[in-house]
Amino acid sequence: EVQLVESGGGLVQPGGSLRLSCAASGFTFSYYWMSWVRQAPGKGLEWVANIKQDGSEKYYVDSVKGRFTISRDNAKNSLYLQMNSLRAEDTAVYYCARDRFTSNSGWFDPWGQGTLVTVSS
Amino acid sequence: SSELTQDPAVSVALGQTVRITCQGDSLRSYYASWYQQKPGQAPVLVIYDKNNRPSGIPDRFSGSSSGNTASFTITGARAEDEADYYCNSRDSSGNHRVFGGGTKLTVL
Repeated sequence: EVQLVESGGGLVQPGGSLRLSCAASGFTFSYYWMSWVRQAPGKGLEWVANIKQDGSEKYYVDSVKGRFTISRDNAKNSLYLQMNSLRAEDTAVYYCARDRFTSNSGWFDPWGQGTLVTVSS
Repeated sequence: SSELTQDPAVSVALGQTVRITCQGDSLRSYYASWYQQKPGQAPVLVIYDKNNRPSGIPDRFSGSSSGNTASFTITGARAEDEADYYCNSRDSSGNHRVFGGGTKLTVL
């Protein structure tokens, strides 16, 4: 069974840091791009970042650029999101998702169950 | 533009057909994918690569595209289809991804 399990969420003060992890199983992790997507409470989905199979390409939404770093360890079948200088507006459920795309399309499947990050004093 | 626009809410009578639309410049270059999200659950892919359904997704779900508009259609809506639906596309640069604001579907 293809599965993604996130961990590492919690309560952090503004300006603080947190590292999220996503453990993948049931597929060859090193073959796929991976993404982080977040959802603020009661709001819609927002793509955060993605990373190429070998980690050589990484892309970020403008609002997290310079503060968040996406990385992966293919030997451990794991995806990470290092979040620094956290702000209240970063409060959200963070999902990891396998990122697929072709020359003219893209999609996320499957998704993990999500981990909640709360930034508050 | 890297934005995708969806109607915030749509309703449909049980058994009828409903279309949810998604508009954006990037859709002239890239097909949309569609996700269903029920309360307290992670999103689930329902349509990808213009009009493909993952295994286990019912065939009453379909997708189409024209110009800058992508559409998601449910033919014969069922009570269990009540959920939030999101479109997603690669942005105009091709490297980033963008979601629509979501459409809350109510089945009456």
